[in-house]
Amino acid sequence: GAVVSQHPSWVICKSGTSVKIECRSLDFQATTMFWYRQFPKQSLMLMATSNEGSKATYEQGVEKDKFLINHASLTLSTLTVTSAHPEDSSFYICSARDPSGGGNEQFFGPGTRLTVL
Amino acid sequence: AQSVSQHNHHVILSEAASLELGCNYSYGGTVNLFWYVQYPGQHLQLLLKYFSGDPLVKGIKGFEAEFIKSKFSFNLRKPSVQWSDTAEYFCAVNLYNQGGKLIFGQGTELSVKP
Repeated sequence: GAVVSQHPSWVICKSGTSVKIECRSLDFQATTMFWYRQFPKQSLMLMATSNEGSKATYEQGVEKDKFLINHASLTLSTLTVTSAHPEDSSFYICSARDPSGGGNEQFFGPGTRLTVL
Repeated sequence: AQSVSQHNHHVILSEAASLELGCNYSYGGTVNLFWYVQYPGQHLQLLLKYFSGDPLVKGIKGFEAEFIKSKFSFNLRKPSVQWSDTAEYFCAVNLYNQGGKLIFGQGTELSVKP
């Protein structure tokens, strides 16, 4: 099956610093990737849809200047949390859609746990 | 606004008991439906999906789900659970006319006692 990787798997940073998270589709080309946020014991909340070669589409309430998304190639999307604060601590998960399957199935990465001190 | 509702927040069963987890969605257009499982400390895995055709779909590990369009439901079932089924289960709906984005339900935590 399609494989999506994320790097790093966990990161601890100081308040005010920026953190970049990478999402890669390893064995397929993904024109569309998605970024989710998951708080403990809660569901996944879609943050934004990332389309290769164009600007990301952010969900209502998500600050686009704080959560910078870049989808520069068909296999890589990055999420940069700028000037991170403790309330940004969360589990960030990306997914990628494999268009070759003919459907709309998304394949999920293992997630990145961000802790902001 | 579109939403997905999972009725059970936490379900506790003994091994060999039957399982049914409810999922309802509110969206009038074309949808794809999914159930995902998240084992402790692991990432989301697809259990099963419905795109079209037979509304009774079978997935991995003995799970199945039935799409009832008139009830906007997609309940997950398993006739006999095992301790290894202990996990978080998420129902999700893919919205066709909104870029294919997934809307997730709140999740149901399943605890199976050996």
